[in-house]
Amino acid sequence: AQSVTQLDSHVSVSEGTPVLLRCNYSSSYSPSLFWYVQHPNKGLQLLLKYTSAATLVKGINGFEAEFKKSETSFHLTKPSAHMSDAAEYLCVVSAGTGTASKLTFGTGTRLQVTL
Amino acid sequence: ETGVTQTPRHLVMGMTNKKSLKCEQHLGHNAMYWYKQSAKKPLELMFVYSLEERVENNSVPSRFSPECPNSSHLFLHLHTLQPEDSALYLCASSPDRGYNSPLHFGNGTRLTVT
Repeated sequence: AQSVTQLDSHVSVSEGTPVLLRCNYSSSYSPSLFWYVQHPNKGLQLLLKYTSAATLVKGINGFEAEFKKSETSFHLTKPSAHMSDAAEYLCVVSAGTGTASKLTFGTGTRLQVTL
Repeated sequence: ETGVTQTPRHLVMGMTNKKSLKCEQHLGHNAMYWYKQSAKKPLELMFVYSLEERVENNSVPSRFSPECPNSSHLFLHLHTLQPEDSALYLCASSPDRGYNSPLHFGNGTRLTVT
């Protein structure tokens, strides 16, 4: 069994300040973890993924995330928010073997960026 | 441009209508998916096709009928829908169904059932 919990449904930051979006997971297997971003009326775009290589993963648009097995966390960060970062962010866990893999999506965190 | 194209972008239909959603990918992927996205709920996986064979059907009502004629195209046929079926329907593809293969999503079809 696996699950993913996004701890904040809404996060508001000022432009130019750091962003932290929190994600905790549970999985019976060694998981892969993903962050996606969704702008209004758009599909999901992959920001970054962790697949058991380096624990600090760099993604697009200046985002990065750190896999912490001891804390079962995969929090998304960015040093300086930009207005264009305002969107919905989804954390996803995937685990299993071969074609038995299963994706579990979080409920999302809406990021608001203010001037 | 996401590499996965969905049409139409918006659809309004009555409960007695029949309509189809279309998804097309030219990424050379072997797996395709239909997801339903409703407000304040996690994405719900509806169907999975791998190499044109349906490999997963998550207890979706029969008023939703998928079709995958080839590895590049995926359809979702709709008939006698209910108002609670109103949602954003997302198509996705992936190179394979391995657990570390990320999904590539289309922009979705916003469906409203009246």
